[in-house]
Amino acid sequence: DGGITQSPKYLFRKEGQNVTLSCEQNLNHDAMYWYRQDPGQGLRLIYYSQIVNDFQKGDIAEGYSVSREKKESFPLTVTSAQKNPTAFYLCASGDSPGYTFGSGTRLTVV
Amino acid sequence: GQQVMQIPQYQHVQEGEDFTTYCNSSTTLSNIQWYKQRPGGHPVFLIQLVKSGEVKKQKRLTFQFGEAKKNSSLHITATQTTDVGTYFCAGPGSARQLTFGSGTQLTVLP
Repeated sequence: DGGITQSPKYLFRKEGQNVTLSCEQNLNHDAMYWYRQDPGQGLRLIYYSQIVNDFQKGDIAEGYSVSREKKESFPLTVTSAQKNPTAFYLCASGDSPGYTFGSGTRLTVV
Repeated sequence: GQQVMQIPQYQHVQEGEDFTTYCNSSTTLSNIQWYKQRPGGHPVFLIQLVKSGEVKKQKRLTFQFGEAKKNSSLHITATQTTDVGTYFCAGPGSARQLTFGSGTQLTVLP
């Protein structure tokens, strides 16, 4: 079955650490996206990529970095510069219409 | 930048009652999409509306796109407990990335 796989499902980060969230898709979509969701709130765009080896900042890119070396993969690194990283992170892909989302990664700072 | 507002933020209804959520954009949209996120889950694409004044139905769900293509609504007739979740509208930006509304969290009381 085609879909998006995010891992891990839960992630705990210590202060000052960088962590990387994995996102893999086998839908053959060119475009991929990373969103952040805080409790009771909507989705805010972190980064997006419309094609391999290219990506753009979204609305809240500070403290995050991405790469797009393969069409199938779009990992997100949450750096120590991100002051409030505890959130639910959602990866999506989609050309049109509609995005397909992964099941998300819940990141908690301990 | 583009903003998408959604009201109400929360709605509690008795099972069998109707429910409506409204979405307003600060700019004219080429299309509008609706998603449903079950508690603890990830957003799932429901529908895309493209034409001015368009109305689409999916069983008990009715979606409308305003004549000016700046607002939209989702109406659920005779809610059921399976309708529980958060409903998001989303509009595309210049590079097809979606800006999501803050969502309406629906609780259905049995």
